[in-house]
Amino acid sequence: NAGVTQTPKFRVLKTGQSMTLLCAQDMNHEYMYWYRQDPGMGLRLIHYSVGEGTTAKGEVPDGYNVSRLKKQNFLLGLESAAPSQTSVYFCASTERGPFYEQYFGPGTRLTVT
Amino acid sequence: AQKITQTQPGMFVQEKEAVTLDCTYDTSDQSYGLFWYKQPSSGEMIFLIYQGSYDEQNATEGRYSLNFQKARKSANLVISASQLGDSAMYFCAMRGLHRDDKIIFGKGTRLHILP
Repeated sequence: NAGVTQTPKFRVLKTGQSMTLLCAQDMNHEYMYWYRQDPGMGLRLIHYSVGEGTTAKGEVPDGYNVSRLKKQNFLLGLESAAPSQTSVYFCASTERGPFYEQYFGPGTRLTVT
Repeated sequence: AQKITQTQPGMFVQEKEAVTLDCTYDTSDQSYGLFWYKQPSSGEMIFLIYQGSYDEQNATEGRYSLNFQKARKSANLVISASQLGDSAMYFCAMRGLHRDDKIIFGKGTRLHILP
């Protein structure tokens, strides 16, 4: 039982390049989330999904796209990376309902130069 | 709209003392959950404790307890007998029974335990 895994762990991109971050969970959770963490800003929600085939915008969705083709996977895409997207990205998953904690992946540190 | 406020950006506490980390929240939901997470310098997010809005007793998990005051909309984390390993970033989070079921986080409190 691996929990929530994220690929890759580190990445350096040049401005304008694209990339996809992969999140996978093996707990059969319905809900999955992508956050970014910046100093002094806490965790800010980028996009989330409440089930396979569904996605929704969070607090800071601009510049990102997501897909949830399979229940266990949630992909975060950057079509044209910008230096402002330099951040640590966390994926999380949880059960339906307000009484369940989120399980987090280890994070991906992305630097855009 | 939901909101979480953590008013202490940083705290310094002497080892073995108790420490209280403040968290206030705002929601129109009747049913919601409140969570605390710890983020050590290694970066992972560690779930500490949970309190449901209908729970009448404060939650406890080992040295962690949650001082839940529903009327004041506060959910403070209390760490008893602090240890050097408690030095970390601490986040308060809330999850409501919204249709979209978003989870929101406060900006965090960085706790430093002094030897």
